[in-house]
Amino acid sequence: GQNIDQPTEMTATEGAIVQINCTYQTSGFNGLFWYQQHAGEAPTFLSYNVLDGLEEKGRFSSFLSRSKGYSYLLLKELQMKDSASYLCVPNQAGTALIFGKGTTLSVSS
Amino acid sequence: NAGVTQTPKFRILKIGQSMTLQCAQDMNHNYMYWYRQDPGMGLKLIYYSVGAGITDKGEVPNGYNVSRSTTEDFPLRLELAAPSQTSVYFCASSLGTGQPQHFGDGTRLSIL
Repeated sequence: GQNIDQPTEMTATEGAIVQINCTYQTSGFNGLFWYQQHAGEAPTFLSYNVLDGLEEKGRFSSFLSRSKGYSYLLLKELQMKDSASYLCVPNQAGTALIFGKGTTLSVSS
Repeated sequence: NAGVTQTPKFRILKIGQSMTLQCAQDMNHNYMYWYRQDPGMGLKLIYYSVGAGITDKGEVPNGYNVSRSTTEDFPLRLELAAPSQTSVYFCASSLGTGQPQHFGDGTRLSIL
């Protein structure tokens, strides 16, 4: 089975930093994906964490703690175009990915 | 680089009609997936395939059929369209389960 918990909505202003938290309970855990989905568009891949620690990719960073069942996505220097839904997606062995509603981030000027 | 191509982009069907949503990928990915996304909701897996000739049901397979005769193509068939099937349909592909999924642009389907 699988249980994912992340905030439904968040707001922030341009130039700020925002952290989107995700806790999960997943049997057969292999790693964790973060996807971005703009309204009316398809999801796009942001990051995949397998090992504990922080992985940085430009303005976006993703962190994983396997022992705590916890991940976060950190977005720096926010831009208006970062307004989107951010999906925390655990990779469970032997099953297809399950995409929830994610966290809808609204960035204002 | 075409990636994942879905056709058509939009379609309106009458109740009871049938149609096939096409999906093709040129990345030589073994895994392919069909999802539907209703307004304000997450993606729900309809069917997936781990390779040519192999398909499996996802969360919401009722009312749909798929086939995977080649690595590149994974069409989704609606036999008797119902209003509840009004949705946005996304096709995706990946190298494997630990690899990121690449999505097509979606097919917006309305059934009236």
